[in-house]
Amino acid sequence: AQSVTQLDSQVPVFEEAPVELRCNYSSSVSVYLFWYVQYPNQGLQLLLKYLSGSTLVKGINGFEAEFNKSQTSFHLRKPSVHISDTAEYFCAVSVYNQGGKLIFGQGTELSVKP
Amino acid sequence: DTGVSQDPRHKITKRGQNVTFRCDPISEHNRLYWYRQTLGQGPEFLTYFQNEAQLEKSRLLSDRFSAERPKGSFSTLEIQRTEQGDSAMYLCASSNGVHTEAFFGQGTRLTVV
Repeated sequence: AQSVTQLDSQVPVFEEAPVELRCNYSSSVSVYLFWYVQYPNQGLQLLLKYLSGSTLVKGINGFEAEFNKSQTSFHLRKPSVHISDTAEYFCAVSVYNQGGKLIFGQGTELSVKP
Repeated sequence: DTGVSQDPRHKITKRGQNVTFRCDPISEHNRLYWYRQTLGQGPEFLTYFQNEAQLEKSRLLSDRFSAERPKGSFSTLEIQRTEQGDSAMYLCASSNGVHTEAFFGQGTRLTVV
């Protein structure tokens, strides 16, 4: 079975500071990796995804993530955060040949303080 | 197209009542997914459709839950004899292929009292 672990439930950070949200996954088969953002009382919005190719992927709003197969990690980074980045962030995997359903981590609450 | 639409946004019901939620996906999307999200947790997969065929159901989907997508367009999720443990946000998502971006609706928040 596949699983996703987000290592930090809450990450407080000051505005304009860099941030890293950590994600590790477990799977015995190939997976595709995603990061979603959820603002209060909203659905989820895709930030970025890794399907194949370059292990460094860039997404919207200045976020990027690096796929590390040996460490089974897909950490999300942003060099300088804004107040508007305050939200819940979810890492997810989709297993090859399983219909595209997503398996989510527990989420990381990013709180950007002025 | 305004994206994935879910109705209602909020539903309060008494324990034991039946409820039905609707999801309208992006029009050209052939895949439709239902997830459940409880407070402080990530979404959990419930079921998905490819066109009108329901291809997978999670073990989370007890016999009280049923989902349909009769014409391969909108979908409904019905919960019979609701229990307090059913209180959650129910999210619908659609996509136009496997492992492509899934677009999520804003969800239906169910509260069972």
